[in-house]
Amino acid sequence: AQSVAQPEDQVNVAEGNPLTVKCTYSVSGNPYLFWYVQYPNRGLQFLLKYITGDNLVKGSYGFEAEFNKSQTSFHLKKPSALVSDSALYFCAGVRSGGYNKLIFGAGTRLAVHP
Amino acid sequence: DTAVSQTPKYLVTQMGNDKSIKCEQNLGHDTMYWYKQDSKKFLKIMFSYNNKELIINETVPNRFSPKSPDKAHLNLHINSLELGDSAVYFCASSQGLASSYEQYFGPGTRLTVT
Repeated sequence: AQSVAQPEDQVNVAEGNPLTVKCTYSVSGNPYLFWYVQYPNRGLQFLLKYITGDNLVKGSYGFEAEFNKSQTSFHLKKPSALVSDSALYFCAGVRSGGYNKLIFGAGTRLAVHP
Repeated sequence: DTAVSQTPKYLVTQMGNDKSIKCEQNLGHDTMYWYKQDSKKFLKIMFSYNNKELIINETVPNRFSPKSPDKAHLNLHINSLELGDSAVYFCASSQGLASSYEQYFGPGTRLTVT
């Protein structure tokens, strides 16, 4: 069965420090991977995606993610966290060539402290 | 301009009732989705439509019936509501069926069944 795992329920980081939100996947074939962010009482917003090509993907709000095939990981990173980055982050994956049936991780709550 | 909108935002109803949630997208997308987010924030796809045609139908009770009158609208009708249906329901859309397309989410409808 295909799955996406986010091993941390919560990540705490001080403002100005780098942040990493972890994601690993088990998706058959060549996976397409996505990161979404959910602010309180809002829908999910697309941050970035890996389809093919460069393993380092840059997205919205200064976020980036690195696709690592050998470790089946797609960790989300930002060099300098902002308090306004505090939200719920979802990693999602889908098998390339199939229908757009995203499999979501359980989400990681990011708390950035002043 | 709101890209993906849902109505109502909140829905409180009693067990056994029938209710509908409406979704509209003004992005010109061909594909629309319904997701359910449970109390633990876990997201799971329920349905997807492409140009008014049902494409994905997950193992959802047949009390849930989606309807797509045109490709800009995807409504969700729920019969005989049960306590376990309480959740946040998200509508989403994407440019097409291909799994490389990111999805755009609506603000969600919080359904509470008492």
